[in-house]
Amino acid sequence: ELKVEQNPLFLSMQEGKNYTIYCNYSTTSDRLYWYRQDPGKSLESLFVLLSNGAVKQEGRLMASLDTKARLSTLHITAAVHDLSATYFCAVDSSPSGTYKYIFGTGTRLKVLA
Amino acid sequence: SAVISQKPSRDICQRGTSLTIQCQVDSQVTMMFWYRQQPGQSLTLIATANQGSEATYESGFVIDKFPISRPNLTFSTLTVSNMSPEDSSIYLCSVELAGGPYEQYFGPGTRLTVT
Repeated sequence: ELKVEQNPLFLSMQEGKNYTIYCNYSTTSDRLYWYRQDPGKSLESLFVLLSNGAVKQEGRLMASLDTKARLSTLHITAAVHDLSATYFCAVDSSPSGTYKYIFGTGTRLKVLA
Repeated sequence: SAVISQKPSRDICQRGTSLTIQCQVDSQVTMMFWYRQQPGQSLTLIATANQGSEATYESGFVIDKFPISRPNLTFSTLTVSNMSPEDSSIYLCSVELAGGPYEQYFGPGTRLTVT
């Protein structure tokens, strides 16, 4: 059974600092997704990573995927308060033709002014 | 992308009753999914709903408790039956668009409280 773990679970950081959130998964997959969730809100898609070595960047966030290590990272550069949210990774665990996401535990990020 | 609406947005229900949650999408989609998110927790897939076939339930979820309908390519319902306080959660539907880009789009969620 696929398991997806994130660390840290909670992250409090100062504005302007850099940090990385890690997403490890236990079985082979080459499709990984990052989502953001604000309190009381639904999920917003951030990144879609579909192959080994994929790297995507949007603003202060950069995501990468290493399928051999079964690891994805979400790097935050020069954090700002607006990035405070919960971040989830999700791994597509299914054979081609059906899409079954297993979500990570989530990382609750708080950026302090 | 897709625009997804859910009804109701929230409800407070009594133990033993049932609630049906509706999910409407603004375009035709093949795959629709129902998730549960308990307070402060991650998302857990309840079932996958494909039009024209029975829903596929994940381990720990059964049709008698969570019956799902998918009458067409833009609409689905999830019923939470014989509710108990443990069913208090946010229920989210999501869709995957045919032909890519192979990501799921989520509805706004239904916040259910069972007393």
